[in-house]
Amino acid sequence: EVQLVESGGGLVQPGGSPRLSCAASGFTFNNYWINWVRQVPGKGLAWVSRIDPGGISTIYADSVKGRFTVSRDNAKNTVYLQMNSLGAEDTAVYFCVRQARDEPLDYWGQGTLVTVSS
Amino acid sequence: EIVLTQSPGTLSLSPGERATLSCRASQSVVKNFLAWYQQKPGQTPRLLIYGASTRATGIPDRFSGSGSGTDFTLSISRLEPEDSAVYYCQQYGSSPLTFGEGAKVEIK
Repeated sequence: EVQLVESGGGLVQPGGSPRLSCAASGFTFNNYWINWVRQVPGKGLAWVSRIDPGGISTIYADSVKGRFTVSRDNAKNTVYLQMNSLGAEDTAVYFCVRQARDEPLDYWGQGTLVTVSS
Repeated sequence: EIVLTQSPGTLSLSPGERATLSCRASQSVVKNFLAWYQQKPGQTPRLLIYGASTRATGIPDRFSGSGSGTDFTLSISRLEPEDSAVYYCQQYGSSPLTFGEGAKVEIK
């Protein structure tokens, strides 16, 4: 069974730097791109970042470029999202989502809530 | 960046009716890599349609997608109470990936 489990969320001070993790199982991890998508509670979905299977190529939404860094450890089947200089606008549930080449985002984790507040 | 505009924002229909949701892209979607997702309250999004018209595994044939280029449609025939949800279109053909703002389907 495909599983993606996010962790690392919680209450963060403005300017804080949490690191989210996404632990994957049930599939050949190093064959898949992994995306991060966020959702402000009660609002729509917003794509954040993606990393390729080898961990070489990364892309980011303009809203997080220069502040967030995505990485992966294929030996641990885990993707990380290092978030820096957080502001209130970064408050959201963060989902990691699997994607095969030229395929849609198919399996979603349950998400981890990041709340930026003093 | 490809901007996806969904309409209508909210649709209120009775069971058994047909829902038609539109997704218009600001520029042509590469290879028609357009997906539709369903999200119910408290749940994660579920993939319904990809490649504009291919149903994902386990999705009933009441759900169908059509369109190409910049204009795409999700149709839900014979609406059931369980179809009450927010539906998002998303393009995955070019970076950055983008989502539409969502369309809420309410079942009366």
